[in-house]
Amino acid sequence: GAVVSQHPSRVICKSGTSVKIECRSLDFQATTMFWYRQFPKQSLMLMATSNEGSKATYEQGVEKDKFLINHASLTLSTLTVTSAHPEDSSFYICSAPRPPKGATWNTEAFFGQGTRLTVV
Amino acid sequence: LAKTTQPISMDSYEGQEVNITCSHNNIATNDYITWYQQFPSQGPRFIIQGYKTKVTNEVASLFIPADRKSSTLSLPRVSLSDTAVYYCLVGEVQLGAAGNKLTFGGGTRVLVKP
Repeated sequence: GAVVSQHPSRVICKSGTSVKIECRSLDFQATTMFWYRQFPKQSLMLMATSNEGSKATYEQGVEKDKFLINHASLTLSTLTVTSAHPEDSSFYICSAPRPPKGATWNTEAFFGQGTRLTVV
Repeated sequence: LAKTTQPISMDSYEGQEVNITCSHNNIATNDYITWYQQFPSQGPRFIIQGYKTKVTNEVASLFIPADRKSSTLSLPRVSLSDTAVYYCLVGEVQLGAAGNKLTFGGGTRVLVKP
């Protein structure tokens, strides 16, 4: 079953409005989550790293005021696309690395189902 | 973060073995190699991860030579449902710590034909 849940899976909004996307880790605590966007036929592009209890770290070229990230708890990070425009239409995906379990010492990243945002 | 290079696309037929090779010449000592599978309009799904030599699980095998500058994902006896994009990622396994993050390269689009 899914260990990272993303909601909503699909959203259509009017230009100028804001949209909030939620990412939850279901059975582990995630101090860090990653947010990506993906255009058709392209790879995932890392937008920002969400850090619980502190500010997010944005990749170069990603507008902080446009894409607001809040990581208020160890199981929830949100991405808000503010004043959305048609060019913000994309597939947004979150990821959370799960801490090592048992005898393993490496983390494993789990991904949400993705959110298809269409701005009209 | 070590950059990866993969073929853009590969075609195969049902029942065949598919091998995808990824080059990562600048891999660091602490880097692991991880492969993900992505279907359209879905998030990537973990396939396999390794550090060196060979790793096998129920869905794939991962071959890593001694110099670790490349790796090969092997999918045995593919079916139509294996049509997807496969990504090779190289990076610190302790994601999130010390700014470690997960970045994707171009991926390989695998098409399995009947």
